[in-house]
Amino acid sequence: DVKVTQSSRYLVKRTGEKVFLECVQDMDHENMFWYRQDPGLGLRLIYFSYDVKMKEKGDIPEGYSVSREKKERFSLILESASTNQTSMYLCASSSSRQGPGNTIYFGEGSWLTVV
Amino acid sequence: SQQGEEDPQALSIQEGENATMNCSYKTSINNLQWYRQNSGRGLVHLILIRSNEREKHSGRLRVTLDTSKKSSSLLITASRAADTASYFCATVLSGNTPLVFGKGTRLSVIA
Repeated sequence: DVKVTQSSRYLVKRTGEKVFLECVQDMDHENMFWYRQDPGLGLRLIYFSYDVKMKEKGDIPEGYSVSREKKERFSLILESASTNQTSMYLCASSSSRQGPGNTIYFGEGSWLTVV
Repeated sequence: SQQGEEDPQALSIQEGENATMNCSYKTSINNLQWYRQNSGRGLVHLILIRSNEREKHSGRLRVTLDTSKKSSSLLITASRAADTASYFCATVLSGNTPLVFGKGTRLSVIA
């Protein structure tokens, strides 16, 4: 079974703090994604990566950055957390080998509260 | 950019009834996928239907796709309380671009 592990399930951070959300997948997937999910807004793509050291902006990259130094790990960074970044963050991965529109596998989510 | 739009936003039914959720999208697709999310958890893939398919079954799930109307439906037959969850459709707009999700349908199955 594919396993996508997000390091923290619940976090509370202060405004202005630097926040790291870590994600690891164990299926040798090329593609990794970070989404945020808010009530009434559904899932919105923040950043994604199709290869090590590669990153692409999604729909809402402002206020975020990412790091992909190893194939299995994709980190989301909030350089200076703000209250409007309080949300649930979902990491996901997929294989490139199946072609476009691959099934993606999600982690359990990280609930971030910025106070 | 929201591609899929699920309808209804919320649905409440009795156990044993069938649940139907619809998804409309805007542009041509390679395939359409349905995912399920239990409250506070990650999403889980349910079923994928390709653009050249019209109907697909998996257990109690039946998915249809009408590319001329740019719409899909997910039918859950003989629903159970454990089917209570949010259901999302997702599509790929073009090439190797990421999946774009709709806002979901919240299904409540009352025992």
